[in-house]
Amino acid sequence: DAEITQSPRHKITETGRQVTLACHQTWNHNNMFWYRQDLGHGLRLIHYSYGVQDTNKGEVSDGYSVSRSNTEDLPLTLESAASSQTSVYFCASSADRGRGDTQYFGPGTRLTVL
Amino acid sequence: ELKVEQNPLFLSMQEGKNYTIYCNYSTTSDRLYWYRQDPGKSLESLFVLLSNGAVKQEGRLMASLDTKARLSTLHITAAVHDLSATYFCAVGNTGNQFYFGTGTSLTVIP
Repeated sequence: DAEITQSPRHKITETGRQVTLACHQTWNHNNMFWYRQDLGHGLRLIHYSYGVQDTNKGEVSDGYSVSRSNTEDLPLTLESAASSQTSVYFCASSADRGRGDTQYFGPGTRLTVL
Repeated sequence: ELKVEQNPLFLSMQEGKNYTIYCNYSTTSDRLYWYRQDPGKSLESLFVLLSNGAVKQEGRLMASLDTKARLSTLHITAAVHDLSATYFCAVGNTGNQFYFGTGTSLTVIP
């Protein structure tokens, strides 16, 4: 069965360190998205990609970067982790943006920055 | 910037009762999505509404979309404990970017 996975599921890091969160999908979806979830804010879009070599900033992109070298993966990098980036991070993918397809979400990564 | 408001934020209801969750959004869109999230889990897609007047039903849940009023509702009929979860609405734009509401935490009490 097709799926979307994230790793690690839990991560504790220190302020100033670089951290990379992995996202891998086997749906063969073109569109991939990264969100963070915080109490009182719902989910907010960090970065997204419509295909290989395509990346775009979302509403809360400062301090984050992504790269898309193949269809299956969209890793999220925190360049220099800050305590404000403590959050739960979700990766999602969708097939066709023109059709308004729903997004399928991964299991999430809980990141704590000390 | 597209804003999405959900209310109520918290809902405690007795089993067997009916209730409605409301999702208002600030700019024109005909793409509305409902998700369910259990504690510590991921988001599960419930409904996709892609036109004005769209209505979808699954079990005790029914979702509708009024694009003119910029309003979607999620109606719960005869609530049962298994429906306890957090429900999110999300509004999509033509680029398939989603803007989420803050969620409604539903607790169904026996």
